[in-house]
Amino acid sequence: SQQGEEDPQALSIQEGENATMNCSYKTSINNLQWYRQNSGRGLVHLILIRSNEREKHSGRLRVTLDTSKKSSSLLITASRAADTASYFCATDSNYQLIWGAGTKLIIKP
Amino acid sequence: DSGVTQTPKHLITATGQRVTLRCSPRSGDLSVYWYQQSLDQGLQFLIQYYNGEERAKGNILERFSAQQFPDLHSELNLSSLELGDSALYFCASSVEGSGYNEQFFGPGTRLTVL
Repeated sequence: SQQGEEDPQALSIQEGENATMNCSYKTSINNLQWYRQNSGRGLVHLILIRSNEREKHSGRLRVTLDTSKKSSSLLITASRAADTASYFCATDSNYQLIWGAGTKLIIKP
Repeated sequence: DSGVTQTPKHLITATGQRVTLRCSPRSGDLSVYWYQQSLDQGLQFLIQYYNGEERAKGNILERFSAQQFPDLHSELNLSSLELGDSALYFCASSVEGSGYNEQFFGPGTRLTVL
């Protein structure tokens, strides 16, 4: 079953613009993770935010977590063509990660 | 390079056949996860092993089985294959298997069932 739901399903923006993706989940969590997947390749971990954290930064990435709304957002600033990929959120539940369906991000040159 | 290796990269087989996918986790990682990714189902968690023992089970069909060996590599066995089993199969590993740690993914095995 999928706990996380990403929104939007697809996003197309111009290079240099910021991209924001959202993730909602259903049950309480200990942490939430974001991963990136380039077409047909393995997922790459981007960032992990714990339930007692509200915001976390890593380079051009900014993740927020609102446990009261059971939602998280991933912001990619100053997007580049190389950011074109699918982005997944995952929440921990009973020794496993529960994955959303992903947001497909396309950066237009 | 995540440090997780999967073989083979591609596999083409016929319905009714049986195949074995192999995964070697990152050095030091005790937990191995198997995922199936298809266009219509997204990323589906199949099964997790931790230090040789099954720890969690997801949407794994009875026709599928897995094991983790003493050297921590893992194999996923798919039998009585159907057209719908065509997908990318990913293995991931983590230091331990609680969900608190990031998972490192292998490059995947693309299975095509004809």
